[in-house]
Amino acid sequence: AQSVTQLGSHVSVSEGALVLLRCNYSSSVPPYLFWYVQYPNQGLQLLLKYTSAATLVKGINGFEAEFKKSETSFHLTKPSAHMSDAAEYFCAVSVAYDGSGNTGKLIFGQGTTLQVKP
Amino acid sequence: NAGVTQTPKFQVLKTGQSMTLQCAQDMNHNSMYWYRQDPGMGLRLIYYSASEGTTDKGEVPNGYNVSRLNKREFSLRLESAAPSQTSVYFCASSPRHISGNSPLHFGNGTRLTVT
Repeated sequence: AQSVTQLGSHVSVSEGALVLLRCNYSSSVPPYLFWYVQYPNQGLQLLLKYTSAATLVKGINGFEAEFKKSETSFHLTKPSAHMSDAAEYFCAVSVAYDGSGNTGKLIFGQGTTLQVKP
Repeated sequence: NAGVTQTPKFQVLKTGQSMTLQCAQDMNHNSMYWYRQDPGMGLRLIYYSASEGTTDKGEVPNGYNVSRLNKREFSLRLESAAPSQTSVYFCASSPRHISGNSPLHFGNGTRLTVT
């Protein structure tokens, strides 16, 4: 079965500073990986996804993530934080087929709340 | 574009009461999902419907039932609500389930409190 671990339930950065949100995954077959963002009182929106093409994936709002198979990681970064980036971020994993009924199911991490200080 | 629409937005139930959460999508997606979101636990899959006419259990199906009414609509029913079902419920849809790489499109959620 697949799983996702997000390191740090809360991350605080100053406006203009680097944003780094950590995600490690576990999967017995090649995974698809996603980052979603949730603003207060809203549903989740897709930031970016990795589907076995380029290992460095660029998403919306200046975010990007790098798939590192050797480290089983898919960390989310943004060079310069903006106040509007304050939200909760979720890493998620799914697979096409793993032989145990998990096909297509999207499994989420626990979430990381990003606070941006002025 | 409406996308995924959930009703109601808020609901308060007493223990033992029943209710149905409604979800509709207008993107002609084949697959639909129900998740619950609890603090510190991320989103957990309750039930999903890979295509019209099929439904399957997710991680936490106990206490819930679903109906894929047609391609657009996927409802979640609580037959006898319990305080442990206090949560925020999200409906989502995607073009295809089987490929695994189709992103989900989420509704804005239903905030349910069971007293």
